[in-house]
Amino acid sequence: QVQLQESGPGRVKPSETLSLTCGVSGYSISSGYFWGWIRQPPGKGLEWIGSMYLSGNTYYNPSLKSRVTISLDMSKNRFSLKLSSVTAADTAVYYCARDRRALAGPAFDFWGHGTLVTVSS
Amino acid sequence: QSALTQPASVSGSPGQSITISCTGTSSDVGGYNYVSWYQQHPGKAPKIMIYDVTNRPSGVSNRFSGSKSGNTASLTISGLQAEDEGDYYCSSYTSISTVVFGGGTKLTVL
Repeated sequence: QVQLQESGPGRVKPSETLSLTCGVSGYSISSGYFWGWIRQPPGKGLEWIGSMYLSGNTYYNPSLKSRVTISLDMSKNRFSLKLSSVTAADTAVYYCARDRRALAGPAFDFWGHGTLVTVSS
Repeated sequence: QSALTQPASVSGSPGQSITISCTGTSSDVGGYNYVSWYQQHPGKAPKIMIYDVTNRPSGVSNRFSGSKSGNTASLTISGLQAEDEGDYYCSSYTSISTVVFGGGTKLTVL
């Protein structure tokens, strides 16, 4: 069974960079699939952040593209998210997920439990 | 990219069927057969229920079905059960290779 687990600071100061890592077990990220990030502000809906394939092929939400970087670490079977210049509007639960995009359309079939990141000084 | 449009809430009694709509444009829902549906219970991560408009992942009840007509996709839940209560989100692939979610629908089982 594929399992994902987010890790990283629960609080980030305004203007700084949010950094999260997603550890994957039960599947090798070098075997295929895209790997993505989705966030959910408290009490609000889901927002796709971006997805990356092992080839380096990456897609980002246009509204976040200038601030987002997703990267894969195949040696440690994990992938990461960096979001720069954060503001209070970036406060959210951040989920990592496996994206079936390589098979057909994008769809997130395995998710991490999510981690709350609060932007506050 | 604008969020897909879903009703804020729907409700039904146990045993009934309900349908949740998800309306987009020809640049997303209407242009591709790449709509997915997710169920989310309070405090939990979303769970995929439908992908590529009509496909059900292994382990998802056959009470859940998906369809699409024009720019609107739909999720139908038949034989409604108390455990189906929660939030439901649709998502679609877009013409610029991105993913857009709907605003979410709260399902109440009466």
